[in-house]
Amino acid sequence: SQTIHQWPATLVQPVGSPLSLECTVEGTSNPNLYWYRQAAGRGLQLLFYSVGIGQISSEVPQNLSASRPQDRQFILSSKKLLLSDSGFYLCAWNIGTRYTEAFFGQGTRLTVV
Amino acid sequence: SQQGEEDPQALSIQEGENATMNCSYKTSINNLQWYRQNSGRGLVHLILIRSNEREKHSGRLRVTLDTSKKSSSLLITASRAADTASYFCATDWMETSGSRLTFGEGTQLTVNP
Repeated sequence: SQTIHQWPATLVQPVGSPLSLECTVEGTSNPNLYWYRQAAGRGLQLLFYSVGIGQISSEVPQNLSASRPQDRQFILSSKKLLLSDSGFYLCAWNIGTRYTEAFFGQGTRLTVV
Repeated sequence: SQQGEEDPQALSIQEGENATMNCSYKTSINNLQWYRQNSGRGLVHLILIRSNEREKHSGRLRVTLDTSKKSSSLLITASRAADTASYFCATDWMETSGSRLTFGEGTQLTVNP
């Protein structure tokens, strides 16, 4: 069966420090991969999505970047965190056809202090 | 930018009552999906309706889709306290760069025992 792992669950980082959040998927090949950010009480903002290794689409200009070094690995990074980067980050995957659901990781609560 | 918009933003009902949430979107879609999120957790897929479908049922859930009005509704019948959660609609359309899944702001449903 397919599973998605996202870690860490919570993270407190100082302003100006680097960030690396990792997401891996098991049990499927060539998934679409997504990074979302969710502010408290709000919807999900799509940050990045990827349809294959090395293929990253960025939705909004920001202080973050994403990479897909392997088929089932998606990494969210920052060189220098800002206070505004605080939020709940969610990784998700689905299969690249028209009628499939997405599966979400449990999220990472990032607090930049 | 966010594709979907849900209303109401918050809904409070008594156990046993029905809950109706609405979603509007802006562009053409391949499908529309509804998800549920318990506080501080990842999203869980509830139901998917294709762009050529008008209504779909799954247990106590009923989803309608009106592509002419670019709107959808989620009905939860005979609600239970355990249905308390945030509910999001998401639209999915294929681009040359792959599938792109975007979410609305969500409806916070509270079911009072």
